Amino acid sequence: AQSVSQHNHHVILSEAASLELGCNYSYGGTVNLFWYVQYPGQHLQLLLKYFSGDPLVKGIKGFEAEFIKSKFSFNLRKPSVQWSDTAEYFCAVKGDGSYQLTFGKGTKLSVIP
Amino acid sequence: KAGVTQTPRYLIKTRGQQVTLSCSPISGHRSVSWYQQTPGQGLQFLFEYFSETQRNKGNFPGRFSGRQFSNSRSEMNVSTLELGDSALYLCASSLGQGTDLNEKLFFGSGTQLSVL
Repeated sequence: AQSVSQHNHHVILSEAASLELGCNYSYGGTVNLFWYVQYPGQHLQLLLKYFSGDPLVKGIKGFEAEFIKSKFSFNLRKPSVQWSDTAEYFCAVKGDGSYQLTFGKGTKLSVIP
Repeated sequence: KAGVTQTPRYLIKTRGQQVTLSCSPISGHRSVSWYQQTPGQGLQFLFEYFSETQRNKGNFPGRFSGRQFSNSRSEMNVSTLELGDSALYLCASSLGQGTDLNEKLFFGSGTQLSVL
């Protein structure tokens, strides 16, 4: 069975601070990894995904994530956050042979102007 | 291209009642997945349908059921509602290429269900 663990429930940062949100997954085979974002009052949207190849993937709005296979991790990073990044962020995993996308419990990010 | 449409947007029910939620996927998408989102629990997978067949089911009681029609529209039903069923119910659609790792989910805005 596949599972995802997100380390932080709520992160509060000032504008221009750097961001790193932790995500670890559990699955014995090949995986596809995702970060989704849910802005206040909006639907979930894909931020970035890892499929194969370069473990450092870049997404929208300056976000990036690094897949470290040996650590089963897929942490999300952004060098300088903005107030508009205030949202809830979800890490998700889909294993080969699965029809299911499994999400973590989410990390709420609050950016203070 | 229209996105995933969920109706109704808000719903208030009382304990013991039953409810039906509707989801219209993006045109051409044949897979529909349902998720329950609650504060602190994130998104929990309910079930996934493809071509009117349920392919996968999460760990929810039998009170939660769903179906998919020939036009790929899907409904989920919750019977004998409990207070703990209060949540945002999200529907997501995809092309439905099965276990293709590269497949992307598109989410609707959800139905906010409140059980009193």
